[in-house]
Amino acid sequence: GQNIDQPTEMTATEGAIVQINCTYQTSGFNGLFWYQQHAGEAPTFLSYNVLDGLEEKGRFSSFLSRSKGYSYLLLKELQMKDSASYLCAVRDSNYQLIWGAGTKLIIKP
Amino acid sequence: IAGITQAPTSQILAAGRRMTLRCTQDMRHNAMYWYRQDLGLGLRLIHYSNTAGTTGKGEVPDGYSVSRANTDDFPLTLASAVPSQTSVYFCASSDRVAGNNEQFFGPGTRLTVL
Repeated sequence: GQNIDQPTEMTATEGAIVQINCTYQTSGFNGLFWYQQHAGEAPTFLSYNVLDGLEEKGRFSSFLSRSKGYSYLLLKELQMKDSASYLCAVRDSNYQLIWGAGTKLIIKP
Repeated sequence: IAGITQAPTSQILAAGRRMTLRCTQDMRHNAMYWYRQDLGLGLRLIHYSNTAGTTGKGEVPDGYSVSRANTDDFPLTLASAVPSQTSVYFCASSDRVAGNNEQFFGPGTRLTVL
């Protein structure tokens, strides 16, 4: 079956760095997405990786290793507004997104 | 309108009633999707449409139907609601041709079936 695993919850301190991991087993791979979802709101797109390596976008970076079925989202200089759930999703061979359950990130002052 | 809109924002429904959730996008995206999101579970695909006039079943299609008469609208119908359909429903759209095909989400409909 298809499976996306990510930690349920993480806590970090304002100004610090946090890494949210995602491992996947899917039927085919056509890219990996990270989305941010604030409580009570819709998911919004953060990043996309299809080749191995690091993609940097401001305070957020995303890494992919296809051979290991592994990705991480790195958030630097954490701000209180970064408190949200972070969703990992893999596009499979049918070109559909398979979603992880999300990681709730709690930022403490 | 800009982006994707969904209606209603929330609804309480008696079991056995019929309900249609509306979704409209103005980005001229060819693909549209319906997901449900339940606590502790990832987004689960109910139905999708790759282009106007076509639809497909996702991971959890039972009890739901969709239609795609035009590019902009993608309604989701619950023919006879059951309590297990209590959830938050998100509609999304994407351009399957350009870019990375990221999905854009509507604000969601919170549905409670009693």
